[in-house]
Amino acid sequence: DQQVKQNSPSLSVQEGRISILNCDYTNSMFDYFLWYKKYPAEGPTFLISISSIKDKNEDGRFTVFLNKSAKHLSLHIVPSQPGDSAVYFCAASARNAGNMLTFGGGTRLMVKP
Amino acid sequence: DTEVTQTPKHLVMGMTNKKSLKCEQHMGHRAMYWYKQKAKKPPELMFVYSYEKLSINESVPSRFSPECPNSSLLNLHLHALQPEDSALYLCASSQERGYGYTFGSGTRLTVV
Repeated sequence: DQQVKQNSPSLSVQEGRISILNCDYTNSMFDYFLWYKKYPAEGPTFLISISSIKDKNEDGRFTVFLNKSAKHLSLHIVPSQPGDSAVYFCAASARNAGNMLTFGGGTRLMVKP
Repeated sequence: DTEVTQTPKHLVMGMTNKKSLKCEQHMGHRAMYWYKQKAKKPPELMFVYSYEKLSINESVPSRFSPECPNSSLLNLHLHALQPEDSALYLCASSQERGYGYTFGSGTRLTVV
């Protein structure tokens, strides 16, 4: 049973527009959420995170929103740039699971010039 | 130094070979991890070392043998692998929970 799900395997967006990547989770014990970006043949790169005590965290063009009641989080990228084209993984961790990350299946974002 | 370095970047090995993957970090992180990632799948946790001690082994077959010689190094010894073990093997480290792990670039392993 997948505890972290990214239901859209791919997303295509025009350069300059907003990209919205979604993530759902089932484990109510998750209290920390992270987004990673991954290029082919490279390791995931940390992008942004959010604690369950917040509902929004912003860092430059990247904003993560958390809706605990819906067990849903989203990553907004504004404005989208061609260099943002990559696979984005949502990940979650739970206090009672130490420092373990559970990853979603990933969403491939393509930003067209 | 804010990187996790993995060597080799690519490895092709036969099913009877013995090889090792290496991972190194000099960020003072006390937790280190091995993940396995198959194509179009998320990374899957294999092993966790915390303060140089193996704390988690996610039911990984014994043909994979981790080793943590010191706080900066993590090895993964491979023996008698199967073709289905072909994958990207990622090493990661972290200082503490709640901050993003730092991942290495991975070793692309092909078992023939």
